[in-house]
Amino acid sequence: ETGVTQSPTHLIKTRGQQVTLRCSSQSGHNTVSWYQQALGQGPQFIFQYYREEENGRGNFPPRFSGLQFPNYSSELNVNALELDDSALYLCASSQDGEGTIYFGEGSWLTVV
Amino acid sequence: RKEVEQDPGPFNVPEGATVAFNCTYSNSASQSFFWYRQDCRKEPKLLMSVYSSGNEDGRFTAQLNRASQYISLLIRDSKLSDSATYLCVVQPDSWGKLQFGAGTQVVVTP
Repeated sequence: ETGVTQSPTHLIKTRGQQVTLRCSSQSGHNTVSWYQQALGQGPQFIFQYYREEENGRGNFPPRFSGLQFPNYSSELNVNALELDDSALYLCASSQDGEGTIYFGEGSWLTVV
Repeated sequence: RKEVEQDPGPFNVPEGATVAFNCTYSNSASQSFFWYRQDCRKEPKLLMSVYSSGNEDGRFTAQLNRASQYISLLIRDSKLSDSATYLCVVQPDSWGKLQFGAGTQVVVTP
């Protein structure tokens, strides 16, 4: 049990729709990163939030956006869903980007 | 070229045997290195950090070769429960943005 919780655990969306995934970081952790893991691949870094500001972004298009709230929980929003967006979306938290990084159990997104 | 490359396997290992595999990374300035374990359809879990001097954690030994930019993991006395995908992970800077390899699948057989 890492203390990082994600919701929903599974969801199915239609191409073109929008989705919001949520993450509650471990207590006291102010840094949240999001990763996308397609089947058979390693997780790919989407972006990181530190104290409510984006603190780095991977090679993902602008339709992937995020937020971090004052309690350090975070959202990942994906607009105009494509079939290739089907993946496991992982949230990871840490304190000031340092130390042990804890992953949530992920949200499985299927786009049909 | 991918930032972190691994042999996907699978490595089929008899119970009790030893298995070893490597990964290579492209950014010579990378700061930290890890092995994560991922079970089917689950989140990655930290197995161990990797240090230049080499380090052990029970049956697991990790090694880092900065000059050649590769990381290794050795599993001794393999157990059935070691069956998983092992992800090589590189942290290029101090801000916890991890770069993952695609994983090496290990299957331990009775």
